[in-house]
Amino acid sequence: KAGVTQTPRYLIKTRGQQVTLSCSPISGHRSVSWYQQTPGQGLQFLFEYFSETQRNKGNFPGRFSGRQFSNSRSEMNVSTLELGDSALYLCASSFRDNEKLFFGSGTQLSVL
Amino acid sequence: GDSVTQMEGPVTLSEEAFLTINCTYTATGYPSLFWYVQYPGEGLQLLLKATKADDKGSNKGFEATYRKETTSFHLEKGSVQVSDSAVYFCALSGEGFKTIFGAGTRLFVKA
Repeated sequence: KAGVTQTPRYLIKTRGQQVTLSCSPISGHRSVSWYQQTPGQGLQFLFEYFSETQRNKGNFPGRFSGRQFSNSRSEMNVSTLELGDSALYLCASSFRDNEKLFFGSGTQLSVL
Repeated sequence: GDSVTQMEGPVTLSEEAFLTINCTYTATGYPSLFWYVQYPGEGLQLLLKATKADDKGSNKGFEATYRKETTSFHLEKGSVQVSDSAVYFCALSGEGFKTIFGAGTRLFVKA
């Protein structure tokens, strides 16, 4: 079974631009979560989707958005990039609620 | 809201030393508790879990017991190896369809 796949692996953008990150969960997993990982803050929860519905959202500004498609693939978008958005963005999928998460390798975003 | 607090690192130990990484949590209801590990250059992966009070999760010589009375889930290993050098994250999954992570504890093990 293929794992969680995130693309692209690396991204370099400049301030003010927007970016879209993609995540393909493990086959059969309908829950997809997104996290921002930074050295000082650990893993911060962005949002969670299940069957195309956002069920929860973390404390991030409205510049951060996401969606999930009918095949459970998910995208997150960050508009008007700021320097502080530089981070590793992790996607995780799970089969059931409150079960373990399977993580992708992440997308390393650098904002210059 | 729910939260997880774990001891700050880095933690530096010699090989074969005893390891404890403290983790406490705040949550409503009865969350599931997890330890995840991130080895250098690798993705985050589950190390162990416990789903109810007094459960003990174990894997690769690591153990953690779900203590509801002290709201704790401390990670222990009797004899660490160089290959255990990694970042360890305590996490909980309760109400609200999200898993909350602690800040992570970096472990260095010296030969």
